[in-house]
Amino acid sequence: SQQGEEDPQALSIQEGENATMNCSYKTSINNLQWYRQNSGRGLVHLILIRSNEREKHSGRLRVTLDTSKKSSSLLITASRAADTASYFCATDAMLTGGGNKLTFGTGTQLKVEL
Amino acid sequence: GEEVAQTPKHLVRGEGQKAKLYCAPIKGHSYVFWYQQVLKNEFKFLISFQNENVFDETGMPKERFSAKCLPNSPCSLEIQATKLEDSAVYFCASSSRQSYNSPLHFGNGTRLTVT
Repeated sequence: SQQGEEDPQALSIQEGENATMNCSYKTSINNLQWYRQNSGRGLVHLILIRSNEREKHSGRLRVTLDTSKKSSSLLITASRAADTASYFCATDAMLTGGGNKLTFGTGTQLKVEL
Repeated sequence: GEEVAQTPKHLVRGEGQKAKLYCAPIKGHSYVFWYQQVLKNEFKFLISFQNENVFDETGMPKERFSAKCLPNSPCSLEIQATKLEDSAVYFCASSSRQSYNSPLHFGNGTRLTVT
């Protein structure tokens, strides 16, 4: 199974509602990142939370990290139709000499309906 | 440039043919990564470079896959003798710093279809 696994696999909500996605991982991490992928496009970085942080905000996004449970959640408040996309969590592995290699989860497909 | 540029956007190859994909990282970024995405889900790490040097190639199927990042040229990913299972979207990403706290910037991918 993957280092990062998102839950749920798919989520459908109405515009204006909040959307919550969860991510679980297996090994110790240095940081966890969330990315968005619109259909036919590459990943866009949303937010990064370090292992010593518990919560982080960016606009309508709120990310939490619980290293004891090896889990993270992404909350999108007041969702919009434009938030329709797939959302992936990614955990890093620190490489000898620096640099990062991200391992991605399987993604949550979010659909926001008008 | 300010975006990771991948070419071509689509590539169709018959089984057994060669496929070559290109990636121009963001100017000034030292690290380049290749990922394979199958069926809009899992992103499988293939290989990473620090400038022109291979940094991590643990994800590469070495028999048929090769990659290069040469100075003053786009990076490339080449698949010899493609197989049906190679059909996927191949993404290139770049990042600026050695630190593991650096986000990746992705291109829009090359969709490879092997028939």
